Amino acid sequence: KAGVTQTPRYLIKTRGQQVTLSCSPISGHRSVSWYQQTPGQGLQFLFEYFSETQRNKGNFPGRFSGRQFSNSRSEMNVSTLELGDSALYLCASSLSGGPTNEKLFFGSGTQLSVL
Amino acid sequence: GQQVMQIPQYQHVQEGEDFTTYCNSSTTLSNIQWYKQRPGGHPVFLIQLVKSGEVKKQKRLTFQFGEAKKNSSLHITATQTTDVGTYFCASLEKSSASKIIFGSGTRLSIRP
Repeated sequence: KAGVTQTPRYLIKTRGQQVTLSCSPISGHRSVSWYQQTPGQGLQFLFEYFSETQRNKGNFPGRFSGRQFSNSRSEMNVSTLELGDSALYLCASSLSGGPTNEKLFFGSGTQLSVL
Repeated sequence: GQQVMQIPQYQHVQEGEDFTTYCNSSTTLSNIQWYKQRPGGHPVFLIQLVKSGEVKKQKRLTFQFGEAKKNSSLHITATQTTDVGTYFCASLEKSSASKIIFGSGTRLSIRP
């Protein structure tokens, strides 16, 4: 079974630009969550999607958005990039992400550098 | 919102020494998960604890969930160089039912 796939692996952008990151979950997994990882802040929850609906959102500005498609693939978008957005963006999938709190399977992440 | 505090932030040990990382919450946790992230890698699930006072072992790793379900620990006996990485605890935020929040992590480095 293929793991969680994130593309691209690396990305370099300049301030003010926008970026779209992609995540393909493990086949059969319907919950996709996104995390921002920086050395100083650890893993910060961005949002979680299930069946094309955003169920939860973290404390990030509206410049951070996401969506999920009918095949469970997810994208996240960051508009008007700032230097502080430089981070590793991790996507994780689970079967349903519900109250049973299934384990998360992480992708390798997208390393975003904003210059 | 719910927070999970993790200590220490860093731990540097001699190979063969033991290592422990702790997670603490001011509120009762529904469960606790532990993940390991190798340098340059992504977090990988290790274990989940659900019951009060639960103890689970994986070879040299021992995981505990406190009686009050407000704290947890991961103990590694006789560390090896393969144990290098950052260990995170994580828990489901009670108010959301689908939002998993992570502790700040403990980075373990080992002197051969």
